Parts: sequence; C-alpha cells; structure tokens
Amino acid sequence: EIVLTQSPGTLSLSPGERATLSCRASQSVSITYLAWYQQKRGQAPKLLISGASSRATGVPDRFSTSGSGTDFTLTISRLEPEDFAVYYCQHFGFPSWTFGQGTKVEIK
Amino acid sequence: QVQLVESGGGVVQPGGSLRLSCAASGFIFRHYGMHWARQAPGKGLEWVAFIQFDGNNEYYADSVKGRFTVSRDNSKNTLFLEMNSLRPEDTAVYYCAKDFPDGHNWFFDPWGQGTLVIVSS
Repeated sequence: EIVLTQSPGTLSLSPGERATLSCRASQSVSITYLAWYQQKRGQAPKLLISGASSRATGVPDRFSTSGSGTDFTLTISRLEPEDFAVYYCQHFGFPSWTFGQGTKVEIK
Repeated sequence: QVQLVESGGGVVQPGGSLRLSCAASGFIFRHYGMHWARQAPGKGLEWVAFIQFDGNNEYYADSVKGRFTVSRDNSKNTLFLEMNSLRPEDTAVYYCAKDFPDGHNWFFDPWGQGTLVIVSS
C-alpha cells in the first residue's frame, strides 16, 4: 500500500506570500491518480485539484500542482485570508484510497 | 446541486453496533460509486469503504474489514455503513462522498457534512 507523507506539518505564512506544500509517496505513482483537498475548521473536506492541475469548480488559479514519481507539490501563489486551512493529498491505488496526514497553513 | 446528508451517529459502547445513513440528492445516485471516510478528533482523513454504483463490489480499509459493511439502496438514493464490534479507535466523524470523476472511482467529490460516532463506555 502506498504511504503518503506530507511536509511540513504546519506552514506559518502571511497573506500574499507563496505557499509550497509537499506530498511524498512511498513508491512511484502517477499524478493522474493524485488529488489535493482543502479542509477548513469545522467543515468537510473539499476537492481542490485532481490529477495534473485540474482545479475543481470555483477553485482560483492561484492553486496549482506539480510533480512526478514520488514527489508532488501543491503551490498557492499568493495566500488569501480564505486559504488558511489544512490541506491533504490523496492517492488512488485500486482498491485502496490513501490520504497524507495533512499540512496546516496558518497565519503567521 | 449535489447534496449528501449523513445521519445515524451517536455514542455507543465498545463492542456495540451502529448504522450510518447518507441521503443523496442532486445527481443520479445509481450511476456513481460512493465512499465512506472518517476523521478521528484532531486527526487526518482515513478512507473506510467504497461501494460500486450497482452495489456489486465493495472494498474496505484493513482497519475495518470484517467489522463494517457498506451497502446502498438505489431506489431510495441512500448509502449505508453498518458498523459492528466497534472499538474506541473507531471514534470519528464519518463522511460519505461521491466518487469522482465521472466513470472513475479515483477521488472524493463532494463530501457530506459528516456524522460523529463516539465509542466509549
């Protein structure tokens, strides 16, 4: 089973700064089967980006993904106040769906 | 729009049972696979179970295999999770989610608001 390790655990940044979140897989995976979710406090997770930068409806283009093999990145180009949340990567490897442990982006 | 509403959570003793429901609307339920996922208090997300659109195939996380059963009633647009032999470590918010994208079972979108299950004596 693929294990996803996200880093850092917490990212302390100011609005307007760039956020770079890492998701490392225990073995090589295709970005096609990788997604990122955003979870705000007290809310259910929401799909943010799936595959190679396919943003969900309404997700602004300041969110993007990159990577290949075992190393993947979610980038938020300029943090807006509503972007401070926890972000999870997720991999589909039939018949198992795996999440990383999450990265919290907090206001510095 | 797509709406998923979970219910059935509550407090149950270790070894007990609980049945969760997820009422779906806003899409053709019988066309889509459905997931259950959970989140322990202050922890991350964990996939629990998946059921194919027609109910013919089910898959489970190792942590719940043999204790939990996912099922669906396509005539009532409802997903279920039967949980038996509950343990304290099953305490979590349980979410149902529709699979995504169309024709594939790769991701979760959208999610319901969740229902809290507490396993405690």
